Amino acid sequence: NAGVTQTPKFRILKIGQSMTLQCTQDMNHNYMYWYRQDPGMGLKLIYYSVGAGITDKGEVPNGYNVSRSTTEDFPLRLELAAPSQTSVYFCASHSRDRGLEQYFGPGTRLTVT
Amino acid sequence: AQSVTQLDSHVSVSEGTPVLLRCNYSSSYSPSLFWYVQHPNKGLQLLLKYTSAATLVKGINGFEAEFKKSETSFHLTKPSAHMSDAAEYFCVVSDQAGTYKYIFGTGTRLKVLA
Repeated sequence: NAGVTQTPKFRILKIGQSMTLQCTQDMNHNYMYWYRQDPGMGLKLIYYSVGAGITDKGEVPNGYNVSRSTTEDFPLRLELAAPSQTSVYFCASHSRDRGLEQYFGPGTRLTVT
Repeated sequence: AQSVTQLDSHVSVSEGTPVLLRCNYSSSYSPSLFWYVQHPNKGLQLLLKYTSAATLVKGINGFEAEFKKSETSFHLTKPSAHMSDAAEYFCVVSDQAGTYKYIFGTGTRLKVLA
């Protein structure tokens, strides 16, 4: 299994541009998450999904959108990028039935200038 | 409401000496607790987890943690530090099994001195 994969690894955006961060998992996990990690801080939940077609907001959803059309994919969309969205973004997944631990992707480092 | 506090933002130890990373939690229910490690420019990797079974939990790479309900603590220990242990460590609490509610501590950066 590849686990949780994220693309791209790095990206620089100009203010006002848009982009989609891709996340795919091949473990048939029903739960998927997007977090952001700012320097010196823990991870903050942006959005999560409990299954295909179902998404909900986390702690810091403003400026982001998600979709979950398949079990495997959970893309995160940034509209009108702002410097405050400069961060490292992690995608994670877990299975409700096979343990509670989350599996994390390697992260996407995004800079908005 | 659940919360988690990592008491030290930075810890330095000499190679071969014990490691102690402290974590206190607050939870209204029986919590599940996790420790993750993050090496530079990498994702988070699970070290160990407590989910209401044995209170002393053994993880990978010689780490272990003890769940102490009376002290609301879940400290991470290792008898002998190795240079490769230098990383950021996160304590995570979830008090509703199988839901999205995972709360992350702010992390402890472990430095291992030669």
